[in-house]
Amino acid sequence: NAGVMQNPRHLVRRRGQEARLRCSPMKGHSHVYWYRQLPEEGLKFMVYLQKENIIDESGMPKERFSAEFPKEGPSILRIQQVVRGDSAAYFCASSPQGWGTDTQYFGPGTRLTVL
Amino acid sequence: GENVEQHPSTLSVQEGDSAVIKCTYSDSASNYFPWYKQELGKRPQLIIDIRSNVGEKKDQRIAVTLNKTAKHFSLHITETQPEDSAVYFCAASRVGGADGLTFGKGTHLIIQP
Repeated sequence: NAGVMQNPRHLVRRRGQEARLRCSPMKGHSHVYWYRQLPEEGLKFMVYLQKENIIDESGMPKERFSAEFPKEGPSILRIQQVVRGDSAAYFCASSPQGWGTDTQYFGPGTRLTVL
Repeated sequence: GENVEQHPSTLSVQEGDSAVIKCTYSDSASNYFPWYKQELGKRPQLIIDIRSNVGEKKDQRIAVTLNKTAKHFSLHITETQPEDSAVYFCAASRVGGADGLTFGKGTHLIIQP
C-alpha cells in the first residue's frame, strides 16, 4: 500500500509565476489536508478537502491560493503570482475518515523556492 | 481557534537518558493529540497519539501523558538512542473539527553520544 505521494518534490519558480503542487492520498483515503512549513517552524494548516468539496480553507490566504480535490486524480494546491514569502515546504496529509478523528499520514512534501 | 505551545525548543540529552517534551493547548474541546517526528528534509511521521478518554499511552520506549484539566500533554522517551535525534512536534485537534491539526513549533532533540 503506497503512502501519500506528492510531486514535484522540489519546485523552483520566479516571482509572478504559478506553482502547482500535487498530492495523491493513500489508497482508501478520501480526506486531504494541506499544511505549510516555514524554515525552523511547525506546520500550519491551510485547507481540508474531501473529494470534490472544500471543507475548510480558513488557513489559506484569500488571494493567490486555491485548492481542489477532483473526483478523479490528485489534490492540487495552486499558488498564482508567487512571491518570495511563498518559499516553504508544503505537505499534504490524508486520512480515511477525517473530521479530527483520524490519524493523518503525511506525504514527503514539496519544497517551493521562489527566486 | 486552538493554540498549542511546546517546550523546550531544543533539548540535549545523553544517550541512554530520558527526554521529556511538554505541550499545552488552549481549546478545551480538543480531544486528539498526536506526536510527530521529523528528520531533516523528511516528512513528519506519527510516533504516538492519545485521545482524551485515555490519560496515558505507552509504546515501547515512548509514552504520552494527557492532563485534560490542566490542558497539557507530554512525550516521554526513555533509553534514548542516536536515531531518536530529530524534531518532534505535538499537535491537537477536536472530533468534528474541520480545521486540521494545530501544531506546536517543535522541539529539536539532540542525543549526545
